Amino acid sequence: EDKVVQSPLSLVVHEGDTVTLNCSYEVTNFRSLLWYKQEKKAPTFLFMLTSSGIEKKSGRLSSILDKKELFSILNITATQTGDSAIYLCAVYSGGSNYKLTFGKGTLLTVNP
Amino acid sequence: GAGVSQSPSNKVTEKGKDVELRCDPISGHTALYWYRQSLGQGLEFLIYFQGNSAPDKSGLPSDRFSAERTGGSVSTLTIQRTQQEDSAVYLCASSFGVEQPQHFGDGTRLSIL
Repeated sequence: EDKVVQSPLSLVVHEGDTVTLNCSYEVTNFRSLLWYKQEKKAPTFLFMLTSSGIEKKSGRLSSILDKKELFSILNITATQTGDSAIYLCAVYSGGSNYKLTFGKGTLLTVNP
Repeated sequence: GAGVSQSPSNKVTEKGKDVELRCDPISGHTALYWYRQSLGQGLEFLIYFQGNSAPDKSGLPSDRFSAERTGGSVSTLTIQRTQQEDSAVYLCASSFGVEQPQHFGDGTRLSIL
């Protein structure tokens, strides 16, 4: 059974801190890994990673994939209270190019 | 609209009743997905549509669950004879094609009394 594990489950930081969120996976026939941010309702898409070692960046957020060690990290620098959310990692894998397998998420709380 | 639209946003019903949840995907998106999110659990895949066809219904929890999509656009997820364990947030997503980023609606929070 495909498995996606995120750590830590929750994290509390102060504004201005840098955080690293982890996502490891055990899946058959890995295709791509996606990161989402979920505030109150809809998960919103952040990044899609398919190749190892190539960093994707958007403002203060960045992410990288290591297909050899089967993990990805999401970095957030100079955190702001608006970064408080659940961050979800998901994987396309196996014979399915449509079904995302999700981790349980990391709850990030940024205090002023 | 610009994003995926789901209705109702909240639904409270009694055990044993049928419920119908609606999803209006992003215009032009051919692929549509339903997921379920329960407290403490990750998002659980339910069903996928390509156009009006559902090649994979393997995630539907029981035969009380069914879904359809018409005109390659709007989809409805129907739960018959609801049970308390059906309480969850039901999320719909759409994408331009397979293996593309999926874009989610705000979900329907279903509560079974």
